Amino acid sequence: QSVLTQPPSVSGAPGQRVTISCTGSNSNIGAGYDVHWYQQLPGTAPKLLIYGNNNRPSGVPDRFSGSKSGTSASLAITGLQAEDEADYYCQSYDSLSSSWVFGGGTKLTVL
Amino acid sequence: QLQLQESGPGLVRPSETLSLTCTVSGVSISSGSSYWGWIRQPPGKGLEWIGTISYSGSTNYNPSLKSHFTISGDTSKNQFSLKLNSVTAADTAVYYCARHFCSGGNCYGHYYFDYWGQGTLVAVSS
Repeated sequence: QSVLTQPPSVSGAPGQRVTISCTGSNSNIGAGYDVHWYQQLPGTAPKLLIYGNNNRPSGVPDRFSGSKSGTSASLAITGLQAEDEADYYCQSYDSLSSSWVFGGGTKLTVL
Repeated sequence: QLQLQESGPGLVRPSETLSLTCTVSGVSISSGSSYWGWIRQPPGKGLEWIGTISYSGSTNYNPSLKSHFTISGDTSKNQFSLKLNSVTAADTAVYYCARHFCSGGNCYGHYYFDYWGQGTLVAVSS
């Protein structure tokens, strides 16, 4: 049971916009701790996609964006492409457990 | 270019001790404000933070796993290591090492993992 809750799966057609939610509580996201997002392509290591709620590392397309409000955060992907099919994880800090925590992951399927 | 590479045995017997090493290139693990972490992923499941070691050698562990793991560093080889005592089948996972980084001024609780190794699969089986 993850401290951060993500939908198990989302899907969209090429060119569409999809969002992935990450719901936490007042001991993590709601406490003001940053949310970060990772993309894990099949059989590969996770890759940092968004850091500090809404910042993209160099090389990440601006089709990917992050937002945070209250005890939740979201990852939005616009102009969906086949290569975006992957697992996506959110991550933050939880003061109750004094640990860095990940969401359970969301599998994105491009139809 | 910062790179990390895990190494270790792919198969361990139950109750034995597992040792994994992460070799870092491109930056010194003892450089100021550097933090280095271990994360694992059981087959078909999500990511779990295990622990982090700082540039000065201090460590921080996931409280739910603390007694099971030990992280140490070897600055002469620019490596940091993970040791798991008395492994069980539940420890079967891909183990990743990563840099645990913060780009801002006030970093408490704001760290993220920006560079990752490719991961090493550890199977616990007799």
